[in-house]
Amino acid sequence: EDQVTQSPEALRLQEGESSSLNCSYTVSGLRGLFWYRQDPGKGPEFLFTLYSAGEEKEKERLKATLTKKESFLHITAPKPEDSATYLCAVRDGSARQLTFGSGTQLTVLP
Amino acid sequence: DGGITQSPKYLFRKEGQNVTLSCEQNLNHDAMYWYRQDPGQGLRLIYYSQIVNDFQKGDIAEGYSVSREKKESFPLTVTSAQKNPTAFYLCASRPGQTAYEQYFGPGTRLTVT
Repeated sequence: EDQVTQSPEALRLQEGESSSLNCSYTVSGLRGLFWYRQDPGKGPEFLFTLYSAGEEKEKERLKATLTKKESFLHITAPKPEDSATYLCAVRDGSARQLTFGSGTQLTVLP
Repeated sequence: DGGITQSPKYLFRKEGQNVTLSCEQNLNHDAMYWYRQDPGQGLRLIYYSQIVNDFQKGDIAEGYSVSREKKESFPLTVTSAQKNPTAFYLCASRPGQTAYEQYFGPGTRLTVT
């Protein structure tokens, strides 16, 4: 059974204070790791897909990286508008659906 | 504008009543999904459909039913058999056979009292 664990559960940063969110996974034959951003009361917004160890993707202040056991979402010089819950999900080779972690709630203080 | 719409945004029902949540997409996506989200928990899959007139149970299908009569539409019925129906319900769709990222609608918050 696929498992996804995100840490920390909650993170408070000062504006400009860079940090990383972690997504650890156990899956038999990773066929994609997905990052989403979710604002309160809204549906998740797709950010990135990573497929193989060593792959990196960037979007504005966000950079996602992937190893064989975990993924990191690095946030560089965050702003208050980056405050949201960030979700990670994985797909294995046999599944037609995604398994989601419970998310990291990020708060960036001005 | 292409996208996924869910209606209504908020829904209130009395215990013992069935209720149907709407999900429509104009992205021409093949696959559609229904998730449930509870506070502090990840998304849990209720049902999914790869093509019209076909759907499969997810991890928590008990007390729910779906239909897929049209490619654009995937309504979810929460029946009176669902023991804990109060939750945030999310519909998603996926482009095709080789793309597995899912795109989500805005969600429906269902409250049953």
